[in-house]
Amino acid sequence: AQKITQTQPGMFVQEKEAVTLDCTYDTSDPSYGLFWYKQPSSGEMIFLIYQGSYDQQNATEGRYSLNFQKARKSANLVISASQLGDSAMYFCAMREDQTGANNLFFGTGTRLTVIP
Amino acid sequence: NAGVTQTPKFRVLKTGQSMTLLCAQDMNHEYMYWYRQDPGMGLRLIHYSVGEGTTAKGEVPDGYNVSRLKKQNFLLGLESAAPSQTSVYFCASSTDRDQPQHFGDGTRLSIL
Repeated sequence: AQKITQTQPGMFVQEKEAVTLDCTYDTSDPSYGLFWYKQPSSGEMIFLIYQGSYDQQNATEGRYSLNFQKARKSANLVISASQLGDSAMYFCAMREDQTGANNLFFGTGTRLTVIP
Repeated sequence: NAGVTQTPKFRVLKTGQSMTLLCAQDMNHEYMYWYRQDPGMGLRLIHYSVGEGTTAKGEVPDGYNVSRLKKQNFLLGLESAAPSQTSVYFCASSTDRDQPQHFGDGTRLSIL
């Protein structure tokens, strides 16, 4: 089974609007971490936001927030006030703690296009 | 601020050739990782290291070897390259496993 599922291959959003990128995960480990990365067309991977499984509050970093719904095993990324520079691939990833390994499992990504 | 530096950035190999990809980080990070990224797929972990002198297998280790002789460097070796290893390779590092990983710019490797 896929550890991380991103069901939206592509998304469009109007500039200055908010957009939600979906991510669901699958783990039986009680302790885990969830990450979002951005990959612009230039290719580098840029860390955006992190949520630990025991964190009580949803993580926020500037215009990025993570809508963490533990019971539903979802960790959606919300980008507010979209900018043209937000056009990129976005990857959700998960680290499981109990296995003792340091695997970071990535989803297949969502390509976001911001329309002027 | 160099961060994580990968060399080379591009390389074309013939089947059966060998090569080494170099990853260097100047952030004094303990953890280092090698990933590959294939079209339509997310990154997959090849090997990782939790400190100088240690290495461990990730999700897709076959056909690769690694070494971490110095804390700042993590080498990825292909002993006998195969077309299936055509990919973009990313190196990353972090202070600890629950900290964000910082990525290099990637190495685009084509094997003919």
